[in-house]
Amino acid sequence: GAVVSQHPSWVICKSGTSVKIECRSLDFQATTMFWYRQFPKQSLMLMATSNEGSKATYEQGVEKDKFLINHASLTLSTLTVTSAHPEDSSFYICSASVNEQYFGPGTRLTVT
Amino acid sequence: GQQLNQSPQSMFIQEGEDVSMNCTSSSIFNTWLWYKQDPGEGPVLLIALYKAGELTSNGRLTAQFGITRKDSFLNISASIPSDVGIYFCAGQRNSGGSNYKLTFGKGTLLTVNP
Repeated sequence: GAVVSQHPSWVICKSGTSVKIECRSLDFQATTMFWYRQFPKQSLMLMATSNEGSKATYEQGVEKDKFLINHASLTLSTLTVTSAHPEDSSFYICSASVNEQYFGPGTRLTVT
Repeated sequence: GQQLNQSPQSMFIQEGEDVSMNCTSSSIFNTWLWYKQDPGEGPVLLIALYKAGELTSNGRLTAQFGITRKDSFLNISASIPSDVGIYFCAGQRNSGGSNYKLTFGKGTLLTVNP
């Protein structure tokens, strides 16, 4: 149990375009999902907390207009990276929480 | 944001050896969790600890929640090649519930030589 999926697993896009990443809890309902970013050889850095049916709470320094989060149902949250730049290239990981946090497999974003 | 002090940063061991890693914090956590991350994958939950002093095992893994609530350790016994990966500790300030953020350590990179 407690399986979280992400789609796509990797994506390459051009500068200036937008990319949407989906996070789904497959066998449980999650009122709260979290979005993280991880750079090579570093730990996970929380970007935002996403609650179903309400606005996401962003961590300090994370631009909410650039990283749009939508949590439309108890099993789906989406992260849209708008007007992507090469510095947005990173490994994006979501987690869904039911007491403990269970993580998705991650999405590798490369912006060219 | 705040991070936990996790050590060691990396370990190189021989297959069959035992491993120990730990995390410390200057502030109290109500829940400690240990995750393992393989390259290109998301972290996988290994052990969750909810009570100060709690000692929990999961196969060859044993973890303890420190009495002061400011530290935790993870032991791996009789290591095998598939134990290779990065191990993260994480602290949570409120027990249970779904809305509480995790604070992560910087990770311990474990390499096991066959």
